[in-house]
This record gives sequence, C-alpha cells and structure tokens, in this order.
Amino acid sequence: GQNIDQPTEMTATEGAIVQINCTYQTSGFNGLFWYQQHAGEAPTFLSYNVLDGLEEKGRFSSFLSRSKGYSYLLLKELQMKDSASYLCAVTFMDSNYQLIWGAGTKLIIKP
Amino acid sequence: DTEVTQTPKHLVMGMTNKKSLKCEQHMGHRAMYWYKQKAKKPPELMFVYSYEKLSINESVPSRFSPECPNSSLLNLHLHALQPEDSALYLCASSQAGDRAVGEQYFGPGTRLTVT
Repeated sequence: GQNIDQPTEMTATEGAIVQINCTYQTSGFNGLFWYQQHAGEAPTFLSYNVLDGLEEKGRFSSFLSRSKGYSYLLLKELQMKDSASYLCAVTFMDSNYQLIWGAGTKLIIKP
Repeated sequence: DTEVTQTPKHLVMGMTNKKSLKCEQHMGHRAMYWYKQKAKKPPELMFVYSYEKLSINESVPSRFSPECPNSSLLNLHLHALQPEDSALYLCASSQAGDRAVGEQYFGPGTRLTVT
C-alpha cells in the first residue's frame, strides 16, 4: 500500500512558526499536495511540489525531498484563523494518479 | 470563476428514499470527482469522471449512482441508503491529465444524514 504519514495533532502559538511533516513511500511517486480544511468545510488547495526544494506562497511554504520521501508544510506568523486540519496527499503512477490522502494534522493555535 | 457549487447543503433522507446530489463548475475542468468524508477522516474517493466518462469507480455500492450530463455538471443519485452512509459528500474538479489531477477544487459539500 501507499501510506502517507503525518502527525495527528500539533499545537502552536499565535505569531510563531510551525512545521508539519509528511512522509510517504517513494516508489512510483508523481507529486505531493497540501490542503487546508477548516472544521465543517471543504478542503482547499494550498501547494504542489513535484521537484525537490522549497515552494513559497506568502506565509506558507512547502518543501519536498523525493529521495527521502519527505515533505513539510511551514506556516509562518501564525494567525488564529490558521487553526485547521492540514492534509498531505500524494499522487502515484500506479494509482491512476489519483490523490492518496494522509489522515491529516489538526493544528491548534493558542493566543 | 474558481467556484464549485453543490446542492443541497444539507439532506436528511430515509432508507427508502431516492434523492440526488448536484455539483456544478465553470472552470473548464474536464475531471470531476465525488468523495465521501466522515468526521476526522480524510476524503475517500468514490468516483472520477474524465472528459464526461466514468474512469474510476472505487468499488462503491450500487446504491450510489453517478452521472455526468455534461462537462460542467455532476450528479450523485442515492437510493436505499444505510445509516452508515451518513457523511459529508464532496464534489471536486481539476484539469485532466496525469500531473494536473492533484490540484483539485472542492465544493462546500452536502451534509447527508440517513435515518
């Protein structure tokens, strides 16, 4: 199977920085995606990594190491509205390129 | 227009009812998806339509029947559901093509309760 592993829950302080890690099996890797999902709402697309390195989008950055099967989502200058679940999802060549989802990391921001 | 719309927002149905969920997008996307999501779980893929043809059916029970009338619309017909089918049903769309399918745009979902 293609396991996508990420921590279940993390807590951080408003204004700080938090890093959410994601690991996956490297065989057949095609691309890695991060989504944000607020409670009771639909997921929203945050970022896409296909090559090694860091992709930056405002306060959010996503990093990928294909050889290590590892990614992280970095959130800077945390705001209360960043409290949400963050889902790591991967496409593989042998899964018809459909998204294989991690279980999600619930991020709790404290004042 | 980067919006995917879904109707209804909430639906309560009995186990003998027939109902339909509707989804619409006007982003020119040629891949559309139905997902089921239970609380505190990631979305679970049900069906994929690519260029209006059903390309993936993830062994979904026949009481769920998808339909793609045209490139903008996606329906999910429901019949004889079970209480365990209660969940958030999400529609999503994306560009078609291997590298594009991961960037998906989701509708707000239909919260379904089966009594």
